[in-house]
Amino acid sequence: QVQLVESGGGLVKPGGSLRLSCAASGFTFSDYYMNWIRQAPGKGLEWISFISRINGDTNYADSVKGRFTISRDNAKNSLFLQMNGLRAEDTAIYFCARASNGVYDSWGQGTLVTVSS
Amino acid sequence: SYVLTQPASVSVAPGKTAKITCGGNNIGTKGVHWYQRKPGQAPVLVIYYDADRPSGIPERFSGSSSGNTATLTISRVEAGDEADYYCQVWDSSSDQSVFGGGTKLTVL
Repeated sequence: QVQLVESGGGLVKPGGSLRLSCAASGFTFSDYYMNWIRQAPGKGLEWISFISRINGDTNYADSVKGRFTISRDNAKNSLFLQMNGLRAEDTAIYFCARASNGVYDSWGQGTLVTVSS
Repeated sequence: SYVLTQPASVSVAPGKTAKITCGGNNIGTKGVHWYQRKPGQAPVLVIYYDADRPSGIPERFSGSSSGNTATLTISRVEAGDEADYYCQVWDSSSDQSVFGGGTKLTVL
């Protein structure tokens, strides 16, 4: 069955960096666009970024553009999110999600990122 | 940027019908998807492309979209349906995904 497992979250100081990973299994990873979506405490879901299947086309929400970088390794069935210049407002649970024709049909359990001094 | 507007909360008695709306400019021309999020659990897709239901989702869940409003309808509501529900569309003009603010469904 499809499984997405995020890792790499933790506590980081403002201005710091963190790299999230998402390990995928149960499907042909390279066939799907992949996304990062987050949920801040007490807030709703916020789409962060997508990466295309093969050629690595990407896009980002305005709130993270220039600070976050999405990447993937199809050989290792892995998705990544490099987060630099972290701010308190980046505190959230970060989910990786598989996209099928723009629909997020599978999600991981999420990893918590806390930005605090 | 494209904005989706949902009511913050909807309350319904067990066995009754809940309707959760999602407002957006000409949303009827876009594909609308709905997700259920329970505390501590990953979001789950419950409706995609306005009205299609993934396998495993009860027939009690249905959707529609027209004009400036999309609606998620949950019939014969059960206690286990209590959750936050989010609508989502792809905004092709910005090449970005957009979520509504979410609606907390309370089963009385």
